[in-house]
Amino acid sequence: DQQVKQNSPSLSVQEGRISILNCDYTNSMFDYFLWYKKYPAEGPTFLISISSIKDKNEDGRFTVFLNKSAKHLSLHIVPSQPGDSAVYFCAASAGLQGAQKLVFGQGTRLTINP
Amino acid sequence: KAGVTQTPRYLIKTRGQQVTLSCSPISGHRSVSWYQQTPGQGLQFLFEYFSETQRNKGNFPGRFSGRQFSNSRSEMNVSTLELGDSALYLCASSLSSGHSQYFGPGTRLLVL
Repeated sequence: DQQVKQNSPSLSVQEGRISILNCDYTNSMFDYFLWYKKYPAEGPTFLISISSIKDKNEDGRFTVFLNKSAKHLSLHIVPSQPGDSAVYFCAASAGLQGAQKLVFGQGTRLTINP
Repeated sequence: KAGVTQTPRYLIKTRGQQVTLSCSPISGHRSVSWYQQTPGQGLQFLFEYFSETQRNKGNFPGRFSGRQFSNSRSEMNVSTLELGDSALYLCASSLSSGHSQYFGPGTRLLVL
């Protein structure tokens, strides 16, 4: 039972355009969501997070949107740069005690074309 | 600040052996979590330690165990290794509950 799903295994975007990565979840107890970027042979790098009390969080070129009624979140990268090419994971956790027990999606490989 | 460090980076073992992996969290971080990444199952939570106590546990068999020391450094142990234990094992640290986790580079374990 996959509680966090990233339905697009891959995404290709032109440099300078917007990249939109999507993530759906099924567990209504999730209240904290994160996005990580991962390069081969490295651990995931934290990008941005959002609490369920918000519907948007922005940090530079990265914006995360949360739609609780649809159990959906998305990561927008504007403008996309070649260095953004990596695998992106969304993750979720539930409650303060379970905050460190992250449930990950399967990842989306983003390729930025020059 | 130095990031999360994991040792060793690569390891080759044979079935039936046991292995111990080490993780040093970011200075000041008290929570350490362990994850297993495989191509088939993705990233899966193993367990979390905080103040030397296991606070959360994932759905892994008892062959997988861990501990945390008073300086927040953590070790995980896998006994009676199976071929399916071949994976990238990632350690992540955070200040405490409710804070984002920062990952180390991982230990790649190959079981032959």
